Parts: sequence; structure tokens; C-alpha cells
Amino acid sequence: DQQVKQNSPSLSVQEGRISILNCDYTNSMFDYFLWYKKYPAEGPTFLISISSIKDKNEDGRFTVFLNKSAKHLSLHIVPSQPGDSAVYFCAASGYGNQFYFGTGTSLTVIP
Amino acid sequence: DTGVSQNPRHKITKRGQNVTFRCDPISEHNRLYWYRQTLGQGPEFLTYFQNEAQLEKSRLLSDRFSAERPKGSFSTLEIQRTEQGDSAMYLCASSTDPGQGTTEAFFGQGTRLTVV
Repeated sequence: DQQVKQNSPSLSVQEGRISILNCDYTNSMFDYFLWYKKYPAEGPTFLISISSIKDKNEDGRFTVFLNKSAKHLSLHIVPSQPGDSAVYFCAASGYGNQFYFGTGTSLTVIP
Repeated sequence: DTGVSQNPRHKITKRGQNVTFRCDPISEHNRLYWYRQTLGQGPEFLTYFQNEAQLEKSRLLSDRFSAERPKGSFSTLEIQRTEQGDSAMYLCASSTDPGQGTTEAFFGQGTRLTVV
């Protein structure tokens, strides 16, 4: 039962353009959402998070948008850089319990 | 370095052997999580601790798996009678007490287990 879904396994974007990574969830009890970045053979690195009381959170080049009615969130990276090439995981949690992860989207930023 | 530390980074073991992994969380974090990740999948929850108390265990955590966190500091994950299906990356993460909300979890580098 996949409660967090990332339906795009991969995404390629030109350097300098916007990267948009999408995530859908099914559990309406989730109240906290996160994005992680992962390089091969390393653990996930925390990028940005958002609480369910907000619909947008921005940190430098990274912005996360939350649409609770659609149970959808997205990560925008502007401008995209080659160093952003990695696998991005969306995660969600409810009431401070475990984090549920999506299957990841592999982003390739083409120089 | 004050991040989450996991040892060993790599472990190759023969089927049927027991293995133990260690995780040292960020020092002020009282939450500690264990996850498992296989190729092409996201991290899958195994168990988590609040201080020394194990609060939740996934059904993925069969009776061959046991985790401890004595004194609420480091944690160990033991797998007994390993099977080839146990081959995966085992990830540890820690966070502060969520309190009124949820805080982000910080992951270690992981332990790559290969069962041959």
C-alpha cells in the first residue's frame, strides 16, 4: 500500500531551466511533508519541508508547494544546476510518527 | 562531524550468518529511525525509538530482526539467520522530539548489506 507516490521515475532538464518534481499522497492524516535528495551509495539528504498549515515554503533555489485538496505536492528547482542531478524522494508524516517515502524521481540536469 | 554515523558502511555475509549494524544519532536527537532501501524503491520504515523506547515496528521487521537503543543513545540493528532477500541498504535517521509538530529526520550514510 503505497501512501506516497512519485509517478515519474525520471526527469531531464536543461541547465538554468526549472525542474518540477511531483508527488501525490493518499493519507489525509499526513501533516508534514519533506523532500530529500540522494546520491548513489549515500544516505538521503534533507532538502526542504512544509507543514500542512502552509501551501508554500521557499529556501533559495528550492520551493515546495502543497495542494491539500488534491493531496499533491511539488518541488521546484530554479535555476537547475548540474549538481542537482540526483534522485529526489518525497516523504510524508502524520502526528510525528514514521515517515513514508515515495519511490523517487531521478533528475538529470543537462549542462 | 556531528551528523548521523553508521557502521559498518559495507557488510558482506554468508546466508545464515548473523549481522549487527550500529547507528550513532545526532547527539541532541531523541528520535531514531531505521529504514531499509532496495534498488528502485524509496526507504521503507522498519522501526523507531523515542529515547530508549521502541515505539513502532513495521511488519517488515520479522522475528529475525531486532533493534535496541540502550540508554537512548546509539542503536543496533541485528539480523539473525540472514537470507539473500535481506540484501539492501539499511539507513538510520534521527530527529528531535516532534512535540507539537514534526521535524525533519537526518539520515546517515547507510550500511550496504550483501548476503551471498
